[in-house]
Amino acid sequence: KAGVTQTPRYLIKTRGQQVTLSCSPISGHRSVSWYQQTPGQGLQFLFEYFSETQRNKGNFPGRFSGRQFSNSRSEMNVSTLELGDSALYLCASSTRGEAPFTQYFGPGTRLTVL
Amino acid sequence: AQSVTQPDIHITVSEGASLELRCNYSYGATPYLFWYVQSPGQGLQLLLKYFSGDTLVQGIKGFEAEFKRSQSSFNLRKPSVHWSDAAEYFCAVGASDSWGKLQFGAGTQVVVTP
Repeated sequence: KAGVTQTPRYLIKTRGQQVTLSCSPISGHRSVSWYQQTPGQGLQFLFEYFSETQRNKGNFPGRFSGRQFSNSRSEMNVSTLELGDSALYLCASSTRGEAPFTQYFGPGTRLTVL
Repeated sequence: AQSVTQPDIHITVSEGASLELRCNYSYGATPYLFWYVQSPGQGLQLLLKYFSGDTLVQGIKGFEAEFKRSQSSFNLRKPSVHWSDAAEYFCAVGASDSWGKLQFGAGTQVVVTP
């Protein structure tokens, strides 16, 4: 089975721009979670989508949003980029339909904001 | 709210020596516990997980971890490290009342010397 894929792998943007990151889960996985990883704050949960609905949300400003499509693929959008948004963005997929869940991570998208 | 503490930010170990990484968690109910490993520029790879049952769990790459409820710990061990084990290791906790969200520790950077 193919793993979690994320595109693009690297992005460079400037302050004030917006960006969209994409995540394709493992086949059969319907839950996608997003995390931000920075040297200062570590790994922080952004949100989770299941069946095209946001089910859980972390403590991030409204500039961070996401969505999930009927094929379980997910996108994450960050508007009005700030320098502090520079990070590795990781998505993870799981089956969610059973307890407990195990998350499998993609390689991440490295976002640099100049 | 659940929390995870990895007391050691950095560990240096000689190749062939044993390795133990510490993880303490705080959570009211039975947590779901995970260890992930991250190589530079990569995503997170699942090493092992604990949900219930036998408190000593085996994972990939020769790693094992022991769940000790009385100490709220889930320490990771490997009897003999290889140079390829140099990476950052993350302990994470999930909860049934917070689907799709993992709480991560700050990570332990492992350096392997010849």
